[in-house]
Amino acid sequence: GENVEQHPSTLSVQEGDSAVIKCTYSDSASNYFPWYKQELGKRPQLIIDIRSNVGEKKDQRIAVTLNKTAKHFSLHITETQPEDSAVYFCAANHGYSGGGADGLTFGKGTHLIIQP
Amino acid sequence: EPEVTQTPSHQVTQMGQEVILRCVPISNHLYFYWYRQILGQKVEFLVSFYNNEISEKSEIFDDQFSVERPDGSNFTLKIRSTKLEDSAMYFCASRSEAETQYFGPGTRLLVL
Repeated sequence: GENVEQHPSTLSVQEGDSAVIKCTYSDSASNYFPWYKQELGKRPQLIIDIRSNVGEKKDQRIAVTLNKTAKHFSLHITETQPEDSAVYFCAANHGYSGGGADGLTFGKGTHLIIQP
Repeated sequence: EPEVTQTPSHQVTQMGQEVILRCVPISNHLYFYWYRQILGQKVEFLVSFYNNEISEKSEIFDDQFSVERPDGSNFTLKIRSTKLEDSAMYFCASRSEAETQYFGPGTRLLVL
């Protein structure tokens, strides 16, 4: 099955600086890579996603890059703000399952702390 | 904006008891999922469901677990005989033909 590694586990940055979180995946059949933000006690919320036929995607201050050859993808947050503080999870779909209802394998999460 | 809903928000049960967690997916969605998250850990996939049958299940989803879509709106997860290690937050998710999975607010299950 799929294995997703995520680094770092904790990231502390000054407000206004950029934050980068990196993930690797193991199964070349995976073709969909979402990023979720989870605030304490809340549900995971999708912030951005990317498909394997695209190398980069941007949405305002958030961008994701994908290197399919190396099987890694990264989340970039620029001009960080206090409300960006949360746990961020990367995930990869189970392309190997062969069906339409692919589950997601999540990384262990990155606790992003924005220092004022 | 429509959201996935889950009930109850919290459930406390004794070891060995059966629990049923309920979810109402977004109304036009076709694919349904259950995940769990042990406190402070990552989200783990349990099972996916499409066209009234299980599409994929993980190693966690053993014979003690079952899912059902009893009517056109609800999607349930049953744990037949709960164990201490089943204590976790259980999230339901759903999606349309697009790939984005939308998560519900979760049910926090505590097994004593």
